[in-house]
Amino acid sequence: NAGVTQTPKFQVLKTGQSMTLQCAQDMNHEYMSWYRQDPGMGLRLIHYSVGAGITDQGEVPNGYNVSRSTTEDFPLRLLSAAPSQTSVYFCASSGNRRGDSPLHFGNGTRLTVT
Amino acid sequence: AQSVAQPEDQVNVAEGNPLTVKCTYSVSGNPYLFWYVQYPNRGLQFLLKYITGDNLVKGSYGFEAEFNKSQTSFHLKKPSALVSDSALYFCAVRDFPTYGNNRLAFGKGNQVVVIP
Repeated sequence: NAGVTQTPKFQVLKTGQSMTLQCAQDMNHEYMSWYRQDPGMGLRLIHYSVGAGITDQGEVPNGYNVSRSTTEDFPLRLLSAAPSQTSVYFCASSGNRRGDSPLHFGNGTRLTVT
Repeated sequence: AQSVAQPEDQVNVAEGNPLTVKCTYSVSGNPYLFWYVQYPNRGLQFLLKYITGDNLVKGSYGFEAEFNKSQTSFHLKKPSALVSDSALYFCAVRDFPTYGNNRLAFGKGNQVVVIP
């Protein structure tokens, strides 16, 4: 049982480049989300989805796009990378949209923008 | 908007001693509360949750937490700490459900160091 799989594990980008962080879950979870983790700031929600075809913005959505064409996949796109987007990115899913089910996290993507 | 405060940056405790990690929250309705643990270079792992019912909830690895509505707190506890408990701990809160919204607010995290 793979759970939540994120790729790549590490990435270095130059300012202005674009890229897609991949996230896939094999638990048939309705809810998926992207967080970024920065030292001393905890986790901040970027975007989330409550099902295929439905996405919404979180706390820090600027500079990021998402789509949810299938239940399993929830890619995060950086449109034009900036040094401020240097962070560790986590994808998380949960079994329902009620909020009483815990989040399952991937192991993260460490992104550096130079 | 919901928010979580974890007032201490780092908690140091000797192995075998009780461990407490503090969390206070602010929400507009009844809270759903969670604790997660993060080991180096890994994602967060769920420890326990309070949704409703008994104020004392038990979770994984011998951890428990007490929900205190009057003090708006949800402190994480373990009676006897192990060196392997050294990790980063996050408290998180969700407002009483708005259907379709599973947004969580996380605290900034507490580094726990258990000294052998």
